[in-house]
Amino acid sequence: GDSVTQMEGPVTLSEEAFLTINCTYTATGYPSLFWYVQYPGEGLQLLLKATKADDKGSNKGFEATYRKETTSFHLEKGSVQVSDSAVYFCALRNKAAGNKLTFGGGTRVLVKP
Amino acid sequence: GAVVSQHPSWVICKSGTSVKIECRSLDFQATTMFWYRQFPKQSLMLMATSNEGSKATYEQGVEKDKFLINHASLTLSTLTVTSAHPEDSSFYICSAFDRITSTDTQYFGPGTRLTVL
Repeated sequence: GDSVTQMEGPVTLSEEAFLTINCTYTATGYPSLFWYVQYPGEGLQLLLKATKADDKGSNKGFEATYRKETTSFHLEKGSVQVSDSAVYFCALRNKAAGNKLTFGGGTRVLVKP
Repeated sequence: GAVVSQHPSWVICKSGTSVKIECRSLDFQATTMFWYRQFPKQSLMLMATSNEGSKATYEQGVEKDKFLINHASLTLSTLTVTSAHPEDSSFYICSAFDRITSTDTQYFGPGTRLTVL
């Protein structure tokens, strides 16, 4: 079945540091890929998405590129802020699985001033 | 953007009682809603897929008689935890698809924290 693997956290960074969270997936066909963010005490929010190979999703300074050849969708941000402290989830949606989202385990990011 | 609400945001109940959680799409119609369970510091586990006007489809290992799901309208789905026990304590999250735009995006509710004493 489909699966998503992302790096375990927690990831602790200083403000203005570069952030990378690795995400790889296993799926049949051509899934859509997503990054969701969960701020403390809140529900999940869509951060960005990409629906086909080589697409780049971007939002709030975050970027991720759909790499089919490496089955990856790594999340990056050039300069993090304290407000970026959250849990980040990589996910895929495979139409063959009926619109279900398959989530990675989540990566907790803590940005210190 | 599309908004999904959940009510209540948190609930504490005694063991053996039932608890109902509502999930509403506030500004769009959702033919499909999903219910997830999230344990502390863990990822989301899909419990069931709720389709408007039909029976929910439960994931393997989820007891359908314990977690009753009703999707009576295009904007409301409910999850009832029957005869709750302490092991049912968790964070329950719903999500919904916007039927009009039919995009890949699921919109998530803020979650309901259930504590069973």
